Amino acid sequence: ILNVEQSPQSLHVQEGDSTNFTCSFPSSNFYALHWYRWETAKSPEALFVMTLNGDEKKKGRISATLNTKEGYSYLYIKGSQPEDSATYLCAFAGTASKLTFGTGTRLQVTL
Amino acid sequence: GAVVSQHPSWVICKSGTSVKIECRSLDFQATTMFWYRQFPKQSLMLMATSNEGSKATYEQGVEKDKFLINHASLTLSTLTVTSAHPEDSSFYICSLNRGLAGVFLGTDTQYFGPGTRLTVL
Repeated sequence: ILNVEQSPQSLHVQEGDSTNFTCSFPSSNFYALHWYRWETAKSPEALFVMTLNGDEKKKGRISATLNTKEGYSYLYIKGSQPEDSATYLCAFAGTASKLTFGTGTRLQVTL
Repeated sequence: GAVVSQHPSWVICKSGTSVKIECRSLDFQATTMFWYRQFPKQSLMLMATSNEGSKATYEQGVEKDKFLINHASLTLSTLTVTSAHPEDSSFYICSLNRGLAGVFLGTDTQYFGPGTRLTVL
């Protein structure tokens, strides 16, 4: 059974704060690492698909880095806004050609 | 992207009854769809991979006779929970793959529906 862990489990920040979360995954048989953003009562929305060690991706105020050798990825949010409140999921794709998800980091941004 | 709908969004049923959940691709013909479930405080767990026109592939530990999957068209996959029991109460969510290969490659984005909350009394 693959182990994909996310930390922290939940996070509460104020508007304007920058924050980051961690996703840990197996360092062997790596194919890709996905990040999704999941707002309550909506569909999970794809943020990034990362494949190369050292890869950095950016989408607006959200960015992510990838370290496949040590098996972790960071997701950063710069200047958090209330609309960033959501659960952020990472998912590991190994050679089994399916996604294994972490339990998510729930972010709440308050004014 | 792709737009995926699920119906119903929530359902409550009595123990022993069967419940059908629909997953529709509204703007894409999906060869492959996936069904996940999520128990409280746990991660999304893949139940099965649904392939249009062929039998679904179930993950280890998922009873194929209990969770019937029908992917009869390129825009519709259904999951039927047969003889539901309280332990089947969970959040069920589908996704589809837009990959050109027709099968999921690790770099393909999956597009999700909004999910269905099933409560079995």
